[in-house]
Amino acid sequence: GENVEQHPSTLSVQEGDSAVIKCTYSDSASNYFPWYKQELGKRPQLIIDIRSNVGEKKDQRIAVTLNKTAKHFSLHITETQPEDSAVYFCAATGANNLFFGTGTRLTVIP
Amino acid sequence: GAVVSQHPSWVICKSGTSVKIECRSLDFQATTMFWYRQFPKQSLMLMATSNEGSKATYEQGVEKDKFLINHASLTLSTLTVTSAHPEDSSFYICSAFDRGNTEAFFGQGTRLTVV
Repeated sequence: GENVEQHPSTLSVQEGDSAVIKCTYSDSASNYFPWYKQELGKRPQLIIDIRSNVGEKKDQRIAVTLNKTAKHFSLHITETQPEDSAVYFCAATGANNLFFGTGTRLTVIP
Repeated sequence: GAVVSQHPSWVICKSGTSVKIECRSLDFQATTMFWYRQFPKQSLMLMATSNEGSKATYEQGVEKDKFLINHASLTLSTLTVTSAHPEDSSFYICSAFDRGNTEAFFGQGTRLTVV
């Protein structure tokens, strides 16, 4: 099956700085790569996604890049705010599965 | 967006009993639902993929006879933890694909505590 690796496991940034989280995947058949934000005790919420036919997607302060050749994709958060503090999960999906990375605990320091 | 409802949100049961968790897609048909287990401060571990009208596909290391999955309709999948033991205590969460967008929506999760 798919193997998704995510780095770093923890990340602390000053408010206003940028944060970057990176993921790699193993299954070349995977074609959809969502990112989820999970606050403590709550369900994961989709924040942005990218499909295999594009290389980059942006939504306000959040952007995702995908390199299919290298099988890696990244989440970029600019101008971070304290409310961005949470655990972020990347995921990769192919025909009938959805596998998650190990998560990154982001802390934005005011 | 689409809504997935999971019930119960928390349950405490005695060791040796069985617990059923329901996952419903409220406003779309989910031909595929996923069941995950999440340990504290860890990622979501895929347990099984539930397909409507057919047997679930279990991930390696997940006991089929212990975690019974039924997907009898396009809007309902159930996970039954049979003969629960304290080590089964965890956060279980389901998700369902909205095929129109290939986006997965999550239930609220169920915190199971086996005493």
